[in-house]
Amino acid sequence: GENVEQHPSTLSVQEGDSAVIKCTYSDSASNYFPWYKQELGKGPQLIIDIRSNVGEKKDQRIAVTLNKTAKHFSLHITETQPEDSAVYFCAASYSGYSTLTFGKGTMLLVSP
Amino acid sequence: DAGITQSPRHKVTETGTPVTLRCHQTENHRYMYWYRQDPGHGLRLIHYSYGVKDTDKGEVSDGYSVSRSKTEDFLLTLESATSSQTSVYFCAISESDAQLNTEAFFGQGTRLTVV
Repeated sequence: GENVEQHPSTLSVQEGDSAVIKCTYSDSASNYFPWYKQELGKGPQLIIDIRSNVGEKKDQRIAVTLNKTAKHFSLHITETQPEDSAVYFCAASYSGYSTLTFGKGTMLLVSP
Repeated sequence: DAGITQSPRHKVTETGTPVTLRCHQTENHRYMYWYRQDPGHGLRLIHYSYGVKDTDKGEVSDGYSVSRSKTEDFLLTLESATSSQTSVYFCAISESDAQLNTEAFFGQGTRLTVV
């Protein structure tokens, strides 16, 4: 089945710095790559997604890039703020199950 | 927020007892999912449903069963709870399957402890 690797597992930055989280996937048929943010005590919530026919997508301070050839995609957060502190999950759709396979998560800590 | 309610939110149970977790949605979405979240493992799919009485296994389905008799309710049952099933369980819903690129909405989670 699909395998999604996510790095790093923890990331600490200073407020105002940029943060980058990277994921790789194994199934070349995967075509949908969402990113979820999970705040403490809550369920994950979609923050941005990208489809395989697009190389980059931006939404204010958040951007996602996709390299289909290398089978990796990344989340970029600019001008980080303390409220960005959370666990971030990448995911990929797996053609066999028609469900999402998640990475193991990245705990982002933004210090004031 | 999407209308998803998980119950109970917290539960402590003894090894060997049966446990049922409930997920209720008010969005009329076709797909419903159960995930478990454990440190170092992220979110892993247990079972999912693509319609009333239509279910399929995920990657960690052993020891779990599910039922969906109505569009709005998806039940997860641990027939005989074990300590390895101590986890946080999340229900999610989506209008269609992941291949059609639709957003999955998650519930607040149920923290289950098996002692």
